[in-house]
This record gives sequence, C-alpha cells and structure tokens, in this order.
Amino acid sequence: GAVVSQHPSWVICKSGTSVKIECRSLDFQATTMFWYRQFPKQSLMLMATSNEGSKATYEQGVEKDKFLINHASLTLSTLTVTSAHPEDSSFYICSARDPGISYEQYFGPGTRLTVT
Amino acid sequence: GENVEQHPSTLSVQEGDSAVIKCTYSDSASNYFPWYKQELGKRPQLIIDIRSNVGEKKDQRIAVTLNKTAKHFSLHITETQPEDSAVYFCASLGGGYNKLIFGAGTRLAVHP
Repeated sequence: GAVVSQHPSWVICKSGTSVKIECRSLDFQATTMFWYRQFPKQSLMLMATSNEGSKATYEQGVEKDKFLINHASLTLSTLTVTSAHPEDSSFYICSARDPGISYEQYFGPGTRLTVT
Repeated sequence: GENVEQHPSTLSVQEGDSAVIKCTYSDSASNYFPWYKQELGKRPQLIIDIRSNVGEKKDQRIAVTLNKTAKHFSLHITETQPEDSAVYFCASLGGGYNKLIFGAGTRLAVHP
C-alpha cells in the first residue's frame, strides 16, 4: 500500500520556540493531506486540511497563526507549531489520500511533541 | 457539524469471545466508513472499511455492517485473541474536503 512518512518521530523543545514537522507521501502524489492531533487516551482530532498550492483549511478552534501549514509540493506538507507551549505537547499525525485509489487515507507514523 | 459517536468506550472480553463496537454518524452525505486499530504510540491501521452502497463486509474474523437509514455502523470481531487488544476507532468520510471524522475510540482488552 501507499506509504506516508513523518519527520521527526519525536521532538522536545522549549516553551516559546517553533517546531516544524514534515509529512511526505513516498510513492504517490497527494493533492490533499490532513493533520491530526491526538492527546493521551483521546481520539484523533482533525486540525486542518492541507491543499497543495493553496491555503490550508483549518477546523474550528484551531489557530491558523499558531499552526502554520505549508503544502508546497504534491509529496510534502509541513506543520509548524509556533511559539510552542506545554499544552501543545501531543501526538501529531498526518495522513494523505491517493486520489487514484478509493477513499482510503494513509497515516504517517506520528510525531510526539513535548514542550518543556 | 459532523459527529461520530462510538460505544462502548471500553470493552473487556475473554479470548475466543466476540466483540462488537457500534458507531452512529450524523452527516447523511457520508459515504465511506473505515475502522482503525491503534496500538500505543503508533499510527492508526485500517482493518476494514465499507462504502455506503454495501450493507455488510467481512474479512476473516472481522466484519462491518452498515445501516444507512439509521446512520449506524458496527464492527464485529469473532474468536478474539489477546493480540486484538488495542484501541479501535470508527470514522466516517464526509464534508466538502473529504475529511475523516473519528469516533472517540473503544479500548478493547482480550483476556487469555
């Protein structure tokens, strides 16, 4: 099946700094990628939909100036958490859909962010 | 907005028993319903999915049923094994951008 990678797999940063997470589709082109956040023992919450070549669409309650999304190519989307705070500590997961293969979404392995 | 409710939140069964997890969705335009298994610290893994034009689908010990009229869909796992222990999420696909809406999850524990 299609493969989605994420980098880094985990990161620790200090409060007030910014962190960039990369999401790549390795063997298919993804015009749309999705970013989720998952807190411990909770479900995946969609943060935003990343569209190649255009602005991302953010879900209600997600600050677009804090969570910057860039989808500059058909295989790469990035999420930058700006001015991180401890409450931003979470598991961030991206997914991508191969439009040529049904509706299935392929998930990246996730990035564990810890803000100290 | 779109919503998916999932029950139960926890489920404990003996090895060999069956497990059933149920979900209800709100968006009548939803047309795709996947189920994911997630182990601690790992990505969700698709275990089975069903489209709106099908009422039931089976893959070995796993089956999914869909009732579009009632907006219900369910996951059935038969002959459970300890390695089935994980968190299971249902989801529905809808919205203008084809976004997945997830249920809250069910923590399944299969005891030997």
